[in-house]
Amino acid sequence: GENVEQHPSTLSVQEGDSAVIKCTYSDSASNYFPWYKQELGKGPQLIIDIRSNVGEKKDQRIAVTLNKTAKHFSLHITETQPEDSAVYFCAAVGGSYQLTFGKGTKLSVIP
Amino acid sequence: DAMVIQNPRYQVTQFGKPVTLSCSQTLNHNVMYWYQQKSSQAPKLLFHYYDKDFNNEADTPDNFQSRRPNTSFCFLDIRSPGLGDAAMYLCATSRDLAGGETQYFGPGTRLLVL
Repeated sequence: GENVEQHPSTLSVQEGDSAVIKCTYSDSASNYFPWYKQELGKGPQLIIDIRSNVGEKKDQRIAVTLNKTAKHFSLHITETQPEDSAVYFCAAVGGSYQLTFGKGTKLSVIP
Repeated sequence: DAMVIQNPRYQVTQFGKPVTLSCSQTLNHNVMYWYQQKSSQAPKLLFHYYDKDFNNEADTPDNFQSRRPNTSFCFLDIRSPGLGDAAMYLCATSRDLAGGETQYFGPGTRLLVL
């Protein structure tokens, strides 16, 4: 089955700096890669996703890149703000419905 | 304009006392999922419904059951909660089961077992 590894597990950045979270996956058949943000005590919220026919996608301060050959994808947050503090999960989806999550990254943005 | 609604947000039950968590959706999605999320871990899929068809994950304990009386509602029943079942329970929906369909999560119900 699919295996997703996510790094780092914790990340602290100064407000205004950029944050990068990296994930690798094992199943070359995976073709959909969503990123979820989970604030304390809340459910995961989809913030951006990318499909295998695209190498990069951007939405305001958030961008995701995908390298299918190397089987890795990354989340980039620029100009971080305190409200970006949360746990971020990457996930990979292959031919079935199953979301395989990474273990999560706790991002802290220090004002 | 909440799309996936879970009630209650917090539930306290006693060891061994059956408990039901509920989920409703306004997206008219075909698929509804239940996940269990323990502290500092990723969500773990328990089961899903595609319309009326139920699919249990292989490692989901028999203690967990689910009902979907109609498109909008889905329930998670824990027949005899143990201390290890204390967790956040997340409901999610997707339009279809095909790979690449986005899953939308509700706010979760935090279950405490005393």
